[in-house]
Amino acid sequence: DVKVTQSSRYLVKRTGEKVFLECVQDMDHENMFWYRQDPGLGLRLIYFSYDVKMKEKGDIPEGYSVSREKKERFSLILESASTNQTSMYLCASSSLDRGRDQPQHFGDGTRLSIL
Amino acid sequence: AQSVTQLDSHVSVSEGTPVLLRCNYSSSYSPSLFWYVQHPNKGLQLLLKYTSAATLVKGINGFEAEFKKSETSFHLTKPSAHMSDAAEYFCVVSDKTTDSWGKLQFGAGTQVVVTP
Repeated sequence: DVKVTQSSRYLVKRTGEKVFLECVQDMDHENMFWYRQDPGLGLRLIYFSYDVKMKEKGDIPEGYSVSREKKERFSLILESASTNQTSMYLCASSSLDRGRDQPQHFGDGTRLSIL
Repeated sequence: AQSVTQLDSHVSVSEGTPVLLRCNYSSSYSPSLFWYVQHPNKGLQLLLKYTSAATLVKGINGFEAEFKKSETSFHLTKPSAHMSDAAEYFCVVSDKTTDSWGKLQFGAGTQVVVTP
């Protein structure tokens, strides 16, 4: 089974802090994704990566950056956390074939609270 | 451009009765379609996928979905609901465009409540 592991289930940080969310997958997938999930807004794509050191903006990249130094690891960075970034963050991975027929596999999520 | 509309935000069923979750999609090309389930405080789990093979797709836990191109629908059904089916369900579409890179478009979700 594909395993996508997010380093923290719950995280509490303060406004202005730099926050790192880590995600690791064990299936040698090329594509990795970061989403945030908010009530009434569903899942929104923040950033994705289709290769090491490659990244593409999703629908809501403002206030975030990402890092992919190794194929299995994709990090989401909140440069200066703000209260409106309190949310559930979900990481996902999928294999190549342009990902068109390949489902994404999700981690259990990190519930981040910014105080 | 692709989009997904889940027609019901909440569905309540009695245990042992059928479940129907409705989904309509809009896609410029031949789409791939997925249903995911999310239990409380968990990530999304793939239930089933349609990728231009058989139009009736069987998934895990007794769920199935039928792709109807003429109606642009991909409704999810289960003959008999179980208490463990209480969760949120997402209909998802992926366009087969050259620059999609596996990006998905998620519906807003349908919350399923199962009563004894």
